[in-house]
Amino acid sequence: KNQVEQSPQSLIILEGKNCTLQCNYTVSPFSNLRWYKQDTGRGPVSLTIMTFSENTKSNGRYTATLDADTKQSSLHITASQLSDSASYICVVSGRSQGNLIFGKGTKLSVKP
Amino acid sequence: NAGVTQTPKFRILKIGQSMTLQCTQDMNHNYMYWYRQDPGMGLKLIYYSVGAGITDKGEVPNGYNVSRSTTEDFPLRLELAAPSQTSVYFCASSSSGTPNTGELFFGEGSRLTVL
Repeated sequence: KNQVEQSPQSLIILEGKNCTLQCNYTVSPFSNLRWYKQDTGRGPVSLTIMTFSENTKSNGRYTATLDADTKQSSLHITASQLSDSASYICVVSGRSQGNLIFGKGTKLSVKP
Repeated sequence: NAGVTQTPKFRILKIGQSMTLQCTQDMNHNYMYWYRQDPGMGLKLIYYSVGAGITDKGEVPNGYNVSRSTTEDFPLRLELAAPSQTSVYFCASSSSGTPNTGELFFGEGSRLTVL
């Protein structure tokens, strides 16, 4: 069964600290992996999209990594800000499917 | 830029009532989608469309209907609302060559409660 598992479920960090969110998937064959940021009460917004040939992709203070062999991805946030408080959703697309598999998200809270 | 616009933002329905969630996009995207997001769960695809006049079922289509008469609009119809349809609904669009590869642009969501 195609699944996307994210960890941790929730995370609290202090402003200015770094953090790393994890995503493991079983989707095969694999097309691409995306990370989205969803602020409370808002729609998800795309952070990165990576194909199987890409190992790292950055978007400002956000850096996503992908290991297609182990089917793992991580999202690293550097020098966190209060505005980073949100849910971060990992989404995996299979090559043979017309659908995207969404993870349940990691809820990040950045405290002053 | 408006992007993807959904209305209404909030709605309370009684069991058995019907309603339509509106979605319009101004990016001339071919692909449009409806998702639902339940608390603590990943988004689930309800219906999608690859162009005007073409729609297809997603993972959880029961209890819903869609139409796509124009590129811009993709309304979602709920017939005979049930408590299980209480959820947050997101409309999205993308422009890429296949539904699997394009970047998704989401609306702000419509929170529906069925009592």
